Amino acid sequence: GENVEQHPSTLSVQEGDSAVIKCTYSDSASNYFPWYKQELGKGPQLIIDIRSNVGEKKDQRIAVTLNKTAKHFSLHITETQPEDSAVYFCAALAMDSNYQLIWGAGTKLIIKP
Amino acid sequence: EAGVAQSPRYKIIEKRQSVAFWCNPISGHATLYWYQQILGQGPKLLIQFQNNGVVDDSQLPKDRFSAERLKGVDSTLKIQPAKLEDSAVYLCASSLGPGARYFGPGTRLTVT
Repeated sequence: GENVEQHPSTLSVQEGDSAVIKCTYSDSASNYFPWYKQELGKGPQLIIDIRSNVGEKKDQRIAVTLNKTAKHFSLHITETQPEDSAVYFCAALAMDSNYQLIWGAGTKLIIKP
Repeated sequence: EAGVAQSPRYKIIEKRQSVAFWCNPISGHATLYWYQQILGQGPKLLIQFQNNGVVDDSQLPKDRFSAERLKGVDSTLKIQPAKLEDSAVYLCASSLGPGARYFGPGTRLTVT
């Protein structure tokens, strides 16, 4: 079955710098990869997603890149701001188990003022 | 567009008591999910509904957890009797198809 690994578990960056979170997946058949942001006391919020027929997608300060050959995808946040502090989860859609989302372990992003 | 609604937001019960959570998905979303999220971990799927029917409940502890989705809209998740290890945030999510899930704010359950 699908397995998703996420790194790093904690990332601390200076305000204004960029942050990169990386995930790898195991099932080459997976074709949908969302990223969620979870703030304290709230549910996960979908911030960006990418399908396997696209290599990169951008939305203002956030972007996701996908390398199907290497089976990894990354979240890039530029010009980080204090409100970017949160836990970020990557996920992959498992094609062999009722299209379940297989989640990474999460990355706690800390933006230092 | 209104998001996924959940209630209550917080609940504290003693072990062996029962508790129920309610979810109202985004209008028109046929698929509804209940997840359990333990502090410091990612969400774990408990049950998935497609309209009224159960698609996947393989990780639902059926001896104590039950869920229903009447008329293909609202859903309730019940725990009876609760154990200490059930302390977690219970998240409801909905989706149009197999892609993007949209989550509610969750119910934080504390079992003492």
